[in-house]
Amino acid sequence: DAGVTQSPTHLIKTRGQQVTLRCSPISGHKSVSWYQQVLGQGPQFIFQYYEKEERGRGNFPDRFSARQFPNYSSELNVNALLLGDSALYLCASSLFRGTDTQYFGPGTRLTVL
Amino acid sequence: GESVGLHLPTLSVQEGDNSIINCAYSNSASDYFIWYKQESGKGPQFIIDIRSNMDKRQGQRVTVLLNKTVKHLSLQIAATQPGDSAVYFCAENPLNTGTASKLTFGTGTRLQVTL
Repeated sequence: DAGVTQSPTHLIKTRGQQVTLRCSPISGHKSVSWYQQVLGQGPQFIFQYYEKEERGRGNFPDRFSARQFPNYSSELNVNALLLGDSALYLCASSLFRGTDTQYFGPGTRLTVL
Repeated sequence: GESVGLHLPTLSVQEGDNSIINCAYSNSASDYFIWYKQESGKGPQFIIDIRSNMDKRQGQRVTVLLNKTVKHLSLQIAATQPGDSAVYFCAENPLNTGTASKLTFGTGTRLQVTL
């Protein structure tokens, strides 16, 4: 079975632009979570979606938004990009919304110039 | 805020020896702990997990120990191999996040395996 997939692999944007990152969960998984990983640090929780509804949100500004589609894939949108948004954006999927094992994708490397 | 932290940022181990990676957590409201391995340029890879009603759990070449009294978590890797070289993260899922799977990660420990 395929694991969590993310696209694109790498992305370069300039300050003020908007970006959309995509994630496809493991087949059968209904929950998708997004994390931001700044170089040299551990991942930081951004959002969790389950059954197309937001179930949890981390300490990130409103410039960050996400949604989940009927096929359980998800998009993360970031508006008005700042230099500090440069990071590896990770998507993780799990079966349910509780304390289930989360499996991560390879991430999207976003560079903001 | 409360966070998961690690004692040693870098651990150097000789091939064939056992590795022990430690993690101290400060949030006592946690039900679930996970160890992830992250190789350069890749996403975190699940290694092993443990729930708060357990003290020890074993996998293939790995063992996780949980000491809730002192809020300490450790990952033991037996017969460390060069392929084990990576950054290891412990993560916790606090109970007070409701139904969300909101993992809190530490900064990570880099494991270097020397030949």
